[in-house]
Amino acid sequence: ETGVTQSPTHLIKTRGQQVTLRCSSQSGHNTVSWYQQALGQGPQFIFQYYREEENGRGNFPPRFSGLQFPNYSSELNVNALELDDSALYLCASSPGTDGNTIYFGEGSWLTVV
Amino acid sequence: GESVGLHLPTLSVQEGDNSIINCAYSNSASDYFIWYKQESGKGPQFIIDIRSNMDKRQGQRVTVLLNKTVKHLSLQIAATQPGDSAVYFCAEYTGGFKTIFGAGTRLFVKA
Repeated sequence: ETGVTQSPTHLIKTRGQQVTLRCSSQSGHNTVSWYQQALGQGPQFIFQYYREEENGRGNFPPRFSGLQFPNYSSELNVNALELDDSALYLCASSPGTDGNTIYFGEGSWLTVV
Repeated sequence: GESVGLHLPTLSVQEGDNSIINCAYSNSASDYFIWYKQESGKGPQFIIDIRSNMDKRQGQRVTVLLNKTVKHLSLQIAATQPGDSAVYFCAEYTGGFKTIFGAGTRLFVKA
């Protein structure tokens, strides 16, 4: 176990709705990254948060947004859900932003219908 | 552009044999590489890493080899066991904030 916990584990949403996914980082880790993993593919970087600010972003539209809290936990919000947003959303934490191994939680499975 | 790719999407080995999973990367500036194992329904699990100033690193039953000349990375698993069946990802850290993952190789272990 990595100590990274995510909730909920599974959820089903309707197209056009909004979803919030939550992540608690491993103790001592101040950096959280979010990834989207479609079925049969590798994780795709969404964004990273460090000290409560977005530290970098992948090729995802603005309807993907996030937050990091003072205790380093984080949220991923997705607005105006589309069918293609169906995927496993992974949170990963690390002790810093530069060249550190990232440790993943078990993910949140999102199905958009 | 930057990419981390895998030579084979699937690999099937006999239990007890050694497994070799290969990975190519394109960014010569990458200085840190990680192998992850992902079992069905779970998040990726760290296996082993290697810095660009090393050619080889060994763990328990696993060895990672890095060939910077041809930008190639491999993961060797000794005495493969049924519990090793999973998808294996190589990941590349190029600096900044992003770790880039390849598409993965699925390892099947035949009893």
